[in-house]
Amino acid sequence: AQKVTQAQTEISVVEKEDVTLDCVYETRDTTYYLFWYKQPPSGELVFLIRRNSFDEQNEISGRYSWNFQKSTSSFNFTITASQVVDSAVYFCALKSNTGKLIFGQGTTLQVKP
Amino acid sequence: NAGVTQTPKFRILKIGQSMTLQCTQDMNHNYMYWYRQDPGMGLKLIYYSVGAGITDKGEVPNGYNVSRSTTEDFPLRLELAAPSQTSVYFCASSYSSSQHTGTGGRETQYFGPGTRLLVL
Repeated sequence: AQKVTQAQTEISVVEKEDVTLDCVYETRDTTYYLFWYKQPPSGELVFLIRRNSFDEQNEISGRYSWNFQKSTSSFNFTITASQVVDSAVYFCALKSNTGKLIFGQGTTLQVKP
Repeated sequence: NAGVTQTPKFRILKIGQSMTLQCTQDMNHNYMYWYRQDPGMGLKLIYYSVGAGITDKGEVPNGYNVSRSTTEDFPLRLELAAPSQTSVYFCASSYSSSQHTGTGGRETQYFGPGTRLLVL
């Protein structure tokens, strides 16, 4: 079975704090892709990052970084020095060999000034 | 380059009415998808298409129909609207290869802005 679990329903931090959003996935596929999407209050879904199952290198993009660990089936997302504009719902997703994207329930991040 | 566009942005339907949600992409993607997002939840796949003339059911297809006559368009049809279909609907597209050899953004689904539907 394919499944994505985002155990943190809501997180609240104060601006400039670092915050990590957890994502744990289940799949029997040997080839798969993992994604993070951001959904700001305006409602659109913004693609943040894609990682394939063969690439376990961590990724850093500005204040964003991602830690992919196959051994623990996790793909965690860290925001450094959070800002109010980071307030959004963040979704982790798994794409299987069937091409279907399976979403986690989402983590609502609130960054307070 | 508009990406994925959806119309309308918002619609109110009465129970039993029908409507079509439009979705168009200009990225020459072969795969297209329809999702629904209920309040406080993640997205659930309704239908998807791997190319013109080919569609398949997702996780929650009941009450919906789709067609894919062109690469660009993937409309979603609600025949008899029910309150349970109140949701936000997202269309997405991607380029997918059968061998997962995609690079440079392949395999990534790009989403439209969504259609908010209220059935009363």
